[in-house]
Amino acid sequence: EAQVTQNPRYLITVTGKKLTVTCSQNMNHEYMSWYRQDPGLGLRQIYYSMNVEVTDKGDVPEGYKVSRKEKRNFPLILESPSPNQTSLYFCASSSALTDTQYFGPGTRLTVL
Amino acid sequence: GENVEQHPSTLSVQEGDSAVIKCTYSDSASNYFPWYKQELGKRPQLIIDIRSNVGEKKDQRIAVTLNKTAKHFSLHITETQPEDSAVYFCAASRRTGFQKLVFGTGTRLLVSP
Repeated sequence: EAQVTQNPRYLITVTGKKLTVTCSQNMNHEYMSWYRQDPGLGLRQIYYSMNVEVTDKGDVPEGYKVSRKEKRNFPLILESPSPNQTSLYFCASSSALTDTQYFGPGTRLTVL
Repeated sequence: GENVEQHPSTLSVQEGDSAVIKCTYSDSASNYFPWYKQELGKRPQLIIDIRSNVGEKKDQRIAVTLNKTAKHFSLHITETQPEDSAVYFCAASRRTGFQKLVFGTGTRLLVSP
């Protein structure tokens, strides 16, 4: 089944404790993105990647890192999480040939 | 950069009525406009999209219209049903190279039986 997966789905952590949210897609998509969703603000892009080893900042990159060492994986790293990073995070992927972005199931992160 | 505004933020209709959600965008170079539906606790899913070379697109009970001159596009849902209740997001992007989507802030649609 073609899909985008994220792990973990739920995470409660404390300020300053490094964490990684994984994202994987099995559709051989070139493009991958991370978004955060906050009430009243919609979906805002954090980082995106056009292919392996090619990443760039989105609209709200502060406090986040990403890597794209393999085509299928695009982990989101929070080196020192803060409470203002409490949010719902979505990974998405799309093909270079089409426009449709496929979203993962989401990761709800709470930073205390 | 691109900025997308979406209205209304909430919309309540009776079952069977029509619903219209409107978005405006700022970047005249944007030429791809998708709409996503997000049910409670679920991921956003594409329901319809339109490109700048067409003015209207329909898919059963949903349609999207685009006015490039005025830089706005709208989602129309006819004969609404309770299962249409969800949050709807519009988005815009340039279809050159990577598709960098900029989303609106969402519209919560509630369809009452």
